[in-house]
Amino acid sequence: AQTVTQSQPEMSVQEAETVTLSCTYDTSESDYYLFWYKQPPSRQMILVIRQEAYKQQNATENRFSVNFQKAAKSFSLKISDSQLGDAAMYFCAYRNSNTGNQFYFGTGTSLTVIP
Amino acid sequence: KAGVTQTPRYLIKTRGQQVTLSCSPISGHRSVSWYQQTPGQGLQFLFEYFSETQRNKGNFPGRFSGRQFSNSRSEMNVSTLELGDSALYLCASSLLQFTDTQYFGPGTRLTVL
Repeated sequence: AQTVTQSQPEMSVQEAETVTLSCTYDTSESDYYLFWYKQPPSRQMILVIRQEAYKQQNATENRFSVNFQKAAKSFSLKISDSQLGDAAMYFCAYRNSNTGNQFYFGTGTSLTVIP
Repeated sequence: KAGVTQTPRYLIKTRGQQVTLSCSPISGHRSVSWYQQTPGQGLQFLFEYFSETQRNKGNFPGRFSGRQFSNSRSEMNVSTLELGDSALYLCASSLLQFTDTQYFGPGTRLTVL
């Protein structure tokens, strides 16, 4: 069974500082994708970053980057130069070729940005 | 391009009633998935539709059903509502394959009294 674990229910970071959100997953599949989604109070889920399992290079999107450790089944999100607008719930998600477009989500990490 | 839209945004129903939620995917997207989000259970997959066919289904009772129309718009229906059905229902669309990114709508907040 596929499971996604986010062990940090809440995190906080000072504005302009860096924070890392953790995610681990369990799968026996080799062809899969990993995602970080952000859900602000407005509730709309917004894609932050995605990582293809077959790519060794860590994905980056501006201030957001991941540390993908395939053997350890770890997929952490680093937010650099944190901004007030980064405050949101962050969800780690997994998807594989056998389950099509079905996401398996973690329980989320609530990020607070302190001015 | 317009994003994924969901109607209505808020809904209040009473136990035993039924409800229909609507989702319009991004233009050109053919896959629509539905998720239920609650504080206790988190985000759970309901079902996915592609080209008017249900391609995958989560572990929900038969009271939860859906369909997709030829224009890719999708509806989900919940019959005989229970208090535990109160949740945020999210719809997501993607182009075709599982390799494509899914884009979420703003959700429908359903409250069952």
